[in-house]
Amino acid sequence: GAVVSQHPSWVICKSGTSVKIECRSLDFQATTMFWYRQFPKQSLMLMATSNEGSKATYEQGVEKDKFLINHASLTLSTLTVTSAHPEDSSFYICSARVAGTGNGEQFFGPGTRLTVL
Amino acid sequence: GNSVTQMEGPVTLSEEAFLTINCTYTATGYPSLFWYVQYPGEGLQLLLKATKADDKGSNKGFEATYRKETTSFHLEKGSVQVSDSAVYFCALSDLSGAQKLVFGQGTRLTINP
Repeated sequence: GAVVSQHPSWVICKSGTSVKIECRSLDFQATTMFWYRQFPKQSLMLMATSNEGSKATYEQGVEKDKFLINHASLTLSTLTVTSAHPEDSSFYICSARVAGTGNGEQFFGPGTRLTVL
Repeated sequence: GNSVTQMEGPVTLSEEAFLTINCTYTATGYPSLFWYVQYPGEGLQLLLKATKADDKGSNKGFEATYRKETTSFHLEKGSVQVSDSAVYFCALSDLSGAQKLVFGQGTRLTINP
């Protein structure tokens, strides 16, 4: 149980285009999802916290107009990288917390590797 | 604020060696503690967790004990295998608000046959 999927697993796009990444909780409801960014050989950097039906909360230094997050249902959150540039190339990972649990555990998706040419 | 410090890597061991990866934390209150593992090109998988002091989390031969007095959650395994090669992340959740996870910097482990 507690499986999180991401789609696509990798994407290559041209500079200036927008890319949408989906994060789904497959067998549970997730009122809260999180989006992380990971650079090679580094730890995860939290970008934003996504709550179902409300606006996402962004971490300091993360541009909300560039990284659009939508959490329209209890099983789906999307991250859209708008007008992507090469410096946005990274590994993006989402996670989800099971609704109603209080121990802080998050279940992670397999990640999406974005390469912007 | 909350923080997690992990022993710096990379760590290279021979198969069947004993493993310890140190993790200490700074937090207010009583956080939950986690070890996650990341295999190349993949997301994170929960390895084990502990939610209160003196709890021992264990899974796949790995163990870690929540030590409040030393604010530590060291990861141990008695006999490592080549398949244990991965990056290991220690993390805490402060259980307030959004219950964000705070990660350590990760420790890359390589096991040689």
